[in-house]
Amino acid sequence: QKEVEQNSGPLSVPEGAIASLNCTYSDRGSQSFFWYRQYSGKSPELIMFIYSNGDKEDGRFTAQLNKASQYVSLLIRDSQPSDSATYLCAVNTDKLIFGTGTRLQVFP
Amino acid sequence: DAGVIQSPRHEVTEMGQEVTLRCKPISGHDYLFWYRQTMMRGLELLIYFNNNVPIDDSGMPEDRFSAKMPNASFSTLKIQPSEPRDSAVYFCASRSTGTGADEQYFGPGTRLTVT
Repeated sequence: QKEVEQNSGPLSVPEGAIASLNCTYSDRGSQSFFWYRQYSGKSPELIMFIYSNGDKEDGRFTAQLNKASQYVSLLIRDSQPSDSATYLCAVNTDKLIFGTGTRLQVFP
Repeated sequence: DAGVIQSPRHEVTEMGQEVTLRCKPISGHDYLFWYRQTMMRGLELLIYFNNNVPIDDSGMPEDRFSAKMPNASFSTLKIQPSEPRDSAVYFCASRSTGTGADEQYFGPGTRLTVT
């Protein structure tokens, strides 16, 4: 079992819709969780982090964490074509472990 | 700030040759990370340094890979001899103990092709 698992996608959503990206992790001792966005040919950039169970909102982005289910998600409201990218989930145990990413496509 | 700087941006070499990748972290950052990204395996941590000291090199694939950080502003990742399976994008990242959220700032990466 991989330490951090994501559906590779692509996840296709129409412009203006809500995109929901999901991630599960195996280490129950994980304390912090991150979402990175990576455009094709570019480096990853941090967009959200979350430490506690529940929701955390930042603009159009909401991160959700459920430690009991070992599940973290990212919601993108009012999706825009510029949101089209690969989204990497990362989990901090004693170091950052990344999932392989979910490719999101937002079509006009 | 210029961000994390990596060189070269692209490297094409033949199997068996030595390859050296370079990284300059953000000034003031005390952690430096080397990652490798492939389609099959995603983003993998190879090694990281704290205050120029290697802390965890468990991700280094084998003895062909070595990394050094002679000072706070420079690090190298060396592959000798290189093999086609080493073809990947290599990222360097840095962060500061003082920043929240363990945020790592990534460099633009070096795309390595070994033929």
